[in-house]
Amino acid sequence: AQSVTQLGSHVSVSEGALVLLRCNYSSSVPPYLFWYVQYPNQGLQLLLKYTSAATLVKGINGFEAEFKKSETSFHLTKPSAHMSDAAEYFCAVSDFNTGGFKTIFGAGTRLFVKA
Amino acid sequence: DTAVSQTPKYLVTQMGNDKSIKCEQNLGHDTMYWYKQDSKKFLKIMFSYNNKELIINETVPNRFSPKSPDKAHLNLHINSLELGDSAVYFCASSPDRAGLAGLSGANVLTFGAGSRLTVL
Repeated sequence: AQSVTQLGSHVSVSEGALVLLRCNYSSSVPPYLFWYVQYPNQGLQLLLKYTSAATLVKGINGFEAEFKKSETSFHLTKPSAHMSDAAEYFCAVSDFNTGGFKTIFGAGTRLFVKA
Repeated sequence: DTAVSQTPKYLVTQMGNDKSIKCEQNLGHDTMYWYKQDSKKFLKIMFSYNNKELIINETVPNRFSPKSPDKAHLNLHINSLELGDSAVYFCASSPDRAGLAGLSGANVLTFGAGSRLTVL
């Protein structure tokens, strides 16, 4: 079964600093990988997804992620943090079972942005 | 607006009661899901329906019974509520057709805003 591991339950950066949120995956087949963001009291929304078309994936709000097969990683980055980026971020992978595909989420990383 | 909407947003109830959460999507998606998010923000899939058919049923107590009257609606009924059922329940939908290979796994989930259930 596929799985993802997010390193660091909390990350704190200063406004304007680089954001790096780490995600490693475990998959026996080429994976479909996602990053979702959850703002307080809201549902999750998609930031970006990897489907093997390109290893560097650009998403919304200036975020991007790079798929590195050799490192089994899919880290999320943003060059300059903004206060509005403060949220919970989830890495996810598609897993297939006899019923169909389901999305498996990592434990989440809370991003704090300091003024 | 096109969206996944779920009601109620907040639900406070006593142990032993029965409650329901309703979900509707007007995105034309074929598949709907229930996820449970615990107090540590961990998200776990509970059920998935494709065109009213149950296709994924994780290890969930049979006190939880999903029902899908049509592909745009997926409701969750919980019997004999327990303290451990307190969580935020998210409904989601995706356009994929379950069981098919190809890009089904790349389908994006669209989430509702969540229903916070508190069992006292």
